[in-house]
Amino acid sequence: QKEVEQNSGPLSVPEGAIASLNCTYSDRGSQSFFWYRQYSGKSPELIMFIYSNGDKEDGRFTAQLNKASQYVSLLIRDSQPSDSATYLCAVNEWGDDKIIFGKGTRLHILP
Amino acid sequence: SAVISQKPSRDICQRGTSLTIQCQVDSQVTMMFWYRQQPGQSLTLIATANQGSEATYESGFVIDKFPISRPNLTFSTLTVSNMSPEDSSIYLCSVETGKDGYTFGSGTRLTVV
Repeated sequence: QKEVEQNSGPLSVPEGAIASLNCTYSDRGSQSFFWYRQYSGKSPELIMFIYSNGDKEDGRFTAQLNKASQYVSLLIRDSQPSDSATYLCAVNEWGDDKIIFGKGTRLHILP
Repeated sequence: SAVISQKPSRDICQRGTSLTIQCQVDSQVTMMFWYRQQPGQSLTLIATANQGSEATYESGFVIDKFPISRPNLTFSTLTVSNMSPEDSSIYLCSVETGKDGYTFGSGTRLTVV
């Protein structure tokens, strides 16, 4: 059974600080890794994807992947109240079209 | 990335009835995915729908309960049959958008009473 694990939170972070969200996965064959943001009552929206070990930066967001440790993380710099949402980690295996989601981490940015 | 129009956005249904959810994509896609998101939970894949073939269902989901149609490369429907309160959930369709990942429809919030 392929699993994606996330701390459910809530994770509370002061405005302006760095929010760090973590995710581990069980399937060593996983090749693609995604971070989705989901506001309450809305559908998930993709904010980052990463395929290679190391860091990938996009604006205030940085995704970090360590395949040896089966670990992927998302850093949000200069956190804003609008970043308050549930963040879903998702992975898929090379050649497999479906993706498996973690249960999500609720992030709360404190004004 | 693809734009998905999903409807209805919400519905309240009587137990024992069926509801059909529609997703229309603004471009042709090979596969469409149907997810369920129960209150406070993450997304669980129900099935993968290919055009011209039967849908592939995940463990715990069966065609009799969740029949899916995929008549062409831009459209799919999911029916929730013989509903019970346990089927109350958000149902989402999704398509792969190449390297940019997967895009979701706006979701259907179903309440069964």
